[in-house]
Amino acid sequence: DIQMSQSPSSLSASVGDRVTITCRASQSIGVALGWYQQKPGKAPNLLIYAASSLQSGVPSRFSGSGSGTDFTLTVSSLQAEDFATYYCQQTYSTPLTFGGGTKVEIK
Amino acid sequence: EVQLVESGGGLVQPGGSLRLSCAVSGFTFSDYWMSWVRQAPGKGLEWVAKIKPDGRDTYYVDSVKGRFTISRDNAKNSLSLQTNSLRTEDTAVYFCAREEIGSYFGYWGQGALVAVSS
Repeated sequence: DIQMSQSPSSLSASVGDRVTITCRASQSIGVALGWYQQKPGKAPNLLIYAASSLQSGVPSRFSGSGSGTDFTLTVSSLQAEDFATYYCQQTYSTPLTFGGGTKVEIK
Repeated sequence: EVQLVESGGGLVQPGGSLRLSCAVSGFTFSDYWMSWVRQAPGKGLEWVAKIKPDGRDTYYVDSVKGRFTISRDNAKNSLSLQTNSLRTEDTAVYFCAREEIGSYFGYWGQGALVAVSS
């Protein structure tokens, strides 16, 4: 199974900050990587697929990059509605696996 | 509008069974792979099972193999997850999700809580 790890597990930031979250796969997955945002009590929402493609309707301040084993999600200017938990997911092979999550909190 | 609505969650004793259902609308159900994803209280996301559009192929995470069964009824636009021999560690909110090209989860239901406790 492919293990996914995220760092940091949590971070504090202010509105307007640039935020970067890292995801690492235990083996090369090409660009088979997605990012999700989840708010408390809600289902996750797909932000990025294929490592760098922006899902329809997602603000352009979200971007993804990387390939192979190392990936990043960047929020260029954090907005109030972006405080949430973010998960990466590999879709290279079954079982599909997620990272442990990164909680973005208000500083 | 795409909608996925889970039902069937509840409290069950260890060793018991529950059948979760997911009613879908707003898209051609028979065109899509579907999955179940769960989230234990305060924990991260875990993919559980997936099923091919025609229902002929299914895949499971190792921890539920032999205990859970995913199925679908394309005529009724319905996805199911039969959960047997439940353990306390199966306690979670179970989401049904539609897979987009590349196996990303583009649409999710609101979730159904399964609580396994004596």
